[in-house]
Amino acid sequence: DQQVKQNSPSLSVQEGRISILNCDYTNSMFDYFLWYKKYPAEGPTFLISISSIKDKNEDGRFTVFLNKSAKHLSLHIVPSQPGDSAVYFCAASAPSGTYKYIFGTGTRLKVLA
Amino acid sequence: DAGVTQSPTHLIKTRGQQVTLRCSPISGHKSVSWYQQVLGQGPQFIFQYYEKEERGRGNFPDRFSARQFPNYSSELNVNALLLGDSALYLCASSGTGQETQYFGPGTRLLVL
Repeated sequence: DQQVKQNSPSLSVQEGRISILNCDYTNSMFDYFLWYKKYPAEGPTFLISISSIKDKNEDGRFTVFLNKSAKHLSLHIVPSQPGDSAVYFCAASAPSGTYKYIFGTGTRLKVLA
Repeated sequence: DAGVTQSPTHLIKTRGQQVTLRCSPISGHKSVSWYQQVLGQGPQFIFQYYEKEERGRGNFPDRFSARQFPNYSSELNVNALLLGDSALYLCASSGTGQETQYFGPGTRLLVL
């Protein structure tokens, strides 16, 4: 049972344009959401997070939007740069005593120069 | 500041053998979590430790075990290795486990 889903395995965007990566979840108990970026042969790098009490969080070129009623979050990257090319994972956690993260399967972003 | 470190970076084992992976958290962090990432999937939670106590365990067989030391470093042990254990093993640290987790570079295990 995949509680966190990233339905787009890959995405290509022109440099300078907006990249939008999407993530859906099924567990309404999730209260903290994160995006990680992963390059080959490296561990995931934390990008941005959002608590369920907010609907938007912004950090530089990265903005995460949370729509709780739709159980959907998205990551916007503006403007996209070639160095943003990587696999992006969304993750969610619930206050269950174990603050484990449930990850999606990832979306491979390719930013074309 | 040093990030999360893991050793070794790569490892090749044969079926039935045992393996120990090591992790040092970010200085000041007291919680360590272990994840397994197989190709094409997101990381899957194996264990979380906080203050040397196991706080949680994912859906992995008893062949997987871990511990945390007084200096908050951690080891993950896998016994009786199977081909399906081939994966990237990631360690993540956080202050108490409730905050954002920061990942190390991982240990890539290949079981032949």
